[in-house]
Amino acid sequence: KQEVTQIPAALSVPEGENLVLNCSFTDSAIYNLQWFRQDPGKGLTSLLLIQSSQREQTSGRLNASLDKSSGRSTLYIAASQPGDSATYLCAVGGDTGTASKLTFGTGTRLQVTL
Amino acid sequence: DGGITQSPKYLFRKEGQNVTLSCEQNLNHDAMYWYRQDPGQGLRLIYYSQIVNDFQKGDIAEGYSVSREKKESFPLTVTSAQKNPTAFYLCASSPGLLLAKNIQYFGAGTRLSVL
Repeated sequence: KQEVTQIPAALSVPEGENLVLNCSFTDSAIYNLQWFRQDPGKGLTSLLLIQSSQREQTSGRLNASLDKSSGRSTLYIAASQPGDSATYLCAVGGDTGTASKLTFGTGTRLQVTL
Repeated sequence: DGGITQSPKYLFRKEGQNVTLSCEQNLNHDAMYWYRQDPGQGLRLIYYSQIVNDFQKGDIAEGYSVSREKKESFPLTVTSAQKNPTAFYLCASSPGLLLAKNIQYFGAGTRLSVL
């Protein structure tokens, strides 16, 4: 059974700092990996999706990498801003036939301070 | 405005009562999903549907039921058999179940509490 772990559970950084969030998964037979953002009491917003054949994806100040063989992904946020404060979740899509059955990590709660 | 609408935002359930959470999407997506989120835990899949009149159990389907009579709608009923229903419920949709770029889009959620 796939298990997804995110470390750290919470992180506080000053504005302007670059930071890395980590995600690890136990079964490397994944179809894709997604990073989501969740604001308190709200739904999820997809940030980046990486296919299993890809190594990284970039969107603005965000860069996500995937190392399928080692079961790891990182989300790099450059020049953090207070508006980046949220919980970040990673989710892995299962292998063929269950591609959209996402298994979620418990998230990293990020606070960017002034 | 395209998106996913969940209602109500807050819902209270009495003992022995069934309650239904609404999820509507106008994105023309084939696949829809229901997740449950508890504090300190990741989202867990309750049910999903690939197409109208078809749905599959997820990891925690016991005590829940769904229907998919229309492409746009995927209501979730929390039955009295669900003994611990207090949670944040999220509905999502995606273009298809097996497409390569299968980003899931989420609604704003319904918070269910027991009276």
